Amino acid sequence: DTAVSQTPKYLVTQMGNDKSIKCEQNLGHDTMYWYKQDSKKFLKIMFSYNNKELIINETVPNRFSPKSPDKAHLNLHINSLELGDSAVYFCASSKGRQNQPQHFGDGTRLSIL
Amino acid sequence: DQQVKQNSPSLSVQEGRISILNCDYTNSMFDYFLWYKKYPAEGPTFLISISSIKDKNEDGRFTVFLNKSAKHLSLHIVPSQPGDSAVYFCAGGSGGGADGLTFGKGTHLIIQP
Repeated sequence: DTAVSQTPKYLVTQMGNDKSIKCEQNLGHDTMYWYKQDSKKFLKIMFSYNNKELIINETVPNRFSPKSPDKAHLNLHINSLELGDSAVYFCASSKGRQNQPQHFGDGTRLSIL
Repeated sequence: DQQVKQNSPSLSVQEGRISILNCDYTNSMFDYFLWYKKYPAEGPTFLISISSIKDKNEDGRFTVFLNKSAKHLSLHIVPSQPGDSAVYFCAGGSGGGADGLTFGKGTHLIIQP
């Protein structure tokens, strides 16, 4: 059983397009996250979402928006894709926010042509 | 501004010996630290964590040491096994995890037979 699953695993698209990445967790966690791993290999937090509260990293462009239909899902929508958006995007989840470890999906490699 | 630094991009260790991975941090607000292991094309997998009020945590072959005064932590793996070959990320967290984790750049551990 995959605990945190992301689809698609690979996404190749052109500049200017709008795309979505889906994330689902079956761990019963109530907090989900999106991270971006750039070309320098740093993993950086983009969003943290807990039920009703969304915390956004201030460096994230507003072209990126998370959507949570329910506690088990946190999808990432990206509008007007740019070359610099090429990266690997990781979804994660954790149990509450009390210093609990986060569990990661296998990532989505986004390539912008 | 790198708040978490892993200064060794790679480390080679013989099978059966001890592997020591190091991590330095600058953010005094971190109240817990984690180590993750990552294989290619997979997401980071949680290994072990330590609260900032402790100086050691042990789990099987893995031990994490924290020196708060030096803002330094290390991961010891004893004995090292071929399956331990992977990239290891150090991360710091605060605020109960609401702001996400801050990761280092990773150290590629290679276990030589």
